[in-house]
Amino acid sequence: AIQLTQSPSSLSASVGDRVTITCRASQGISKFLAWYQQKPGKAPELLIYDISSLKSGVPSRFSGSGSGTDFTLSISSLQPEDFATYYCQQFKNYPITFGQGTRLEIK
Amino acid sequence: QVHLVESGGGVVQPGRSLRLSCAASGFTFSRSAMHWIRQAPGKGLEWVAVISYDGSNKYYADSVKDRLTISRDNSKNTLYLQMNSLRTEDTAVYYCVRVPNEAAGLNWLDPWGQGTLVTVSS
Repeated sequence: AIQLTQSPSSLSASVGDRVTITCRASQGISKFLAWYQQKPGKAPELLIYDISSLKSGVPSRFSGSGSGTDFTLSISSLQPEDFATYYCQQFKNYPITFGQGTRLEIK
Repeated sequence: QVHLVESGGGVVQPGRSLRLSCAASGFTFSRSAMHWIRQAPGKGLEWVAVISYDGSNKYYADSVKDRLTISRDNSKNTLYLQMNSLRTEDTAVYYCVRVPNEAAGLNWLDPWGQGTLVTVSS
């Protein structure tokens, strides 16, 4: 199975900060990477697919990049509603796998 | 608007069975591959199973193979997860998730249902 390792596991930041979350795959996954946001007690929601394509309606402060095995999710100017847990997901092969999550907290 | 509503969760003893359902609306269910994803309390996301749009293809995580069975009834717009020989480690919120755009199962996932909690405990 393809393993995804996110870093950091947790992150404290302030409103207005720019933050970056990294997702590293154990083997190349081409463009088959997505990012999700999950708020406490809620289901995950898709933010980005195919590395860098923003889902319709997602604010443009979210962006994704990367290639091969290394990928990043960036938030350009944190808003209060962005404090949540973020997961990457690969869909290159079965089993579909997720990173362990990055918890973004208010400093 | 796409809507997925899971039901059937609850408390069950180890070794017993449970069947989860997911009622779908707002899209052509019979053209969409569907997944079950689970999340143990305080933990991350774990993929469980996928079923193709017509039910002809199914894949499972090794951790649930031979115990959990995914199925669908396209006439009822409903996805199922039959859970047999339940273990304490199956305790989790189970999410029903759609594959968008009539794509194959190996894809990004959107949207997710609100989830149903399964607790396996004696």
